[in-house]
Amino acid sequence: AQSVTQLGSHVSVSEGALVLLRCNYSSSVPPYLFWYVQYPNQGLQLLLKYTTGATLVKGINGFEAEFKKSETSFHLTKPSAHMSDAAEYFCAVSVDGNQFYFGTGTSLTVIP
Amino acid sequence: GAVVSQHPSRVICKSGTSVKIECRSLDFQATTMFWYRQFPKQSLMLMATSNEGSKATYEQGVEKDKFLINHASLTLSTLTVTSAHPEDSSFYICSARWGDSPLHFGNGTRLTVT
Repeated sequence: AQSVTQLGSHVSVSEGALVLLRCNYSSSVPPYLFWYVQYPNQGLQLLLKYTTGATLVKGINGFEAEFKKSETSFHLTKPSAHMSDAAEYFCAVSVDGNQFYFGTGTSLTVIP
Repeated sequence: GAVVSQHPSRVICKSGTSVKIECRSLDFQATTMFWYRQFPKQSLMLMATSNEGSKATYEQGVEKDKFLINHASLTLSTLTVTSAHPEDSSFYICSARWGDSPLHFGNGTRLTVT
């Protein structure tokens, strides 16, 4: 069975500061890993994904994430937060590309 | 990029009535569409998976007679909430994919049942 744990339901950072959103997963087989962003009253937008290959994945809007198998983690980072980054972020895992398991989300607040 | 259009974005209905939500893939043929429900400040809960031309596969605990899903074509899936009640009020989101593409999400539908 697969599951996703996002530590910290709320994260606040100052504008220009490092953003770190944590995601740990559980999977019996090598997973595909995803980060999605959701703005209020909208659907989810794919930020980045890991399938195979390079473990450091770069996504849109300056975000990146690193797959660490030994730590079963896929933390999302951005060097410098922007006000427009304020949103809800979801980590997701899939092993077959159809069944996705989402974390409970992390709400990011950016303080001016 | 691939676009998924969901309509309506908001709907208010009276208790006991039915509401239909449409999910369209605008520039690709979606072999699989998914329907999710999202409660405030919570994650997405997969309700069902639908493949074009076949019956939807519902997740455990989801009433198939209450949440009717039709995937009549490669570009359209509909979710009908039948005999809606206030507890059905929620944010419903669809997603679509072709082959092994990433999921593409609609913008969601806010359903309020009064």
